[in-house]
Amino acid sequence: SQTIHQWPATLVQPVGSPLSLECTVEGTSNPNLYWYRQAAGRGLQLLFYSVGIGQISSEVPQNLSASRPQDRQFILSSKKLLLSDSGFYLCAGRVRYYGYTFGSGTRLTVV
Amino acid sequence: AQKITQTQPGMFVQEKEAVTLDCTYDTSDQSYGLFWYKQPSSGEMIFLIYQGSYDEQNATEGRYSLNFQKARKSANLVISASQLGDSAMYFCAVLGNEKLTFGTGTRLTIIP
Repeated sequence: SQTIHQWPATLVQPVGSPLSLECTVEGTSNPNLYWYRQAAGRGLQLLFYSVGIGQISSEVPQNLSASRPQDRQFILSSKKLLLSDSGFYLCAGRVRYYGYTFGSGTRLTVV
Repeated sequence: AQKITQTQPGMFVQEKEAVTLDCTYDTSDQSYGLFWYKQPSSGEMIFLIYQGSYDEQNATEGRYSLNFQKARKSANLVISASQLGDSAMYFCAVLGNEKLTFGTGTRLTIIP
């Protein structure tokens, strides 16, 4: 079965600092991978998705970028964080049509 | 593009009663999938139930069932015999064109 690993669980970063969140997949190969952001009390907004190494699709123009250097690794980055980047970030993976698996999430607070 | 509407921001239900969480969707895809997820306060997303757009029978998983009305573009979640542990946020989502789009969610609170 597929397991999504995310770290750290919580992160407090100052405005203007860089960001790197890593997501790794265990148990499957060639998954579709996704980064979602959830603002407090809100739904999930799709930020990026990737169907393969080096292939990134961006859904929303923003201060963030994503990369997929390896099949089972998906990275969310920012060069300079904004206050509005605060939120709960979830990585998800899909292999089969209905097999979506989520990581445990990273709660980012930009101060 | 897909759009999901969940019109109930919050619901309070007595323990052991059944509850229906509403979800309507809009998609231009001919083939799509419908999901319901539960998100407790810990933040993890727990998969509950899935319905394919061509499935003729409503999906069921234990106490969860999905009332799928394709013509109305409706995919309501029914939880039978609610329990205190059912208190959480519930999200409806549609999968189309490799992307899973979520609604804004319903916060369900079960009252003892």
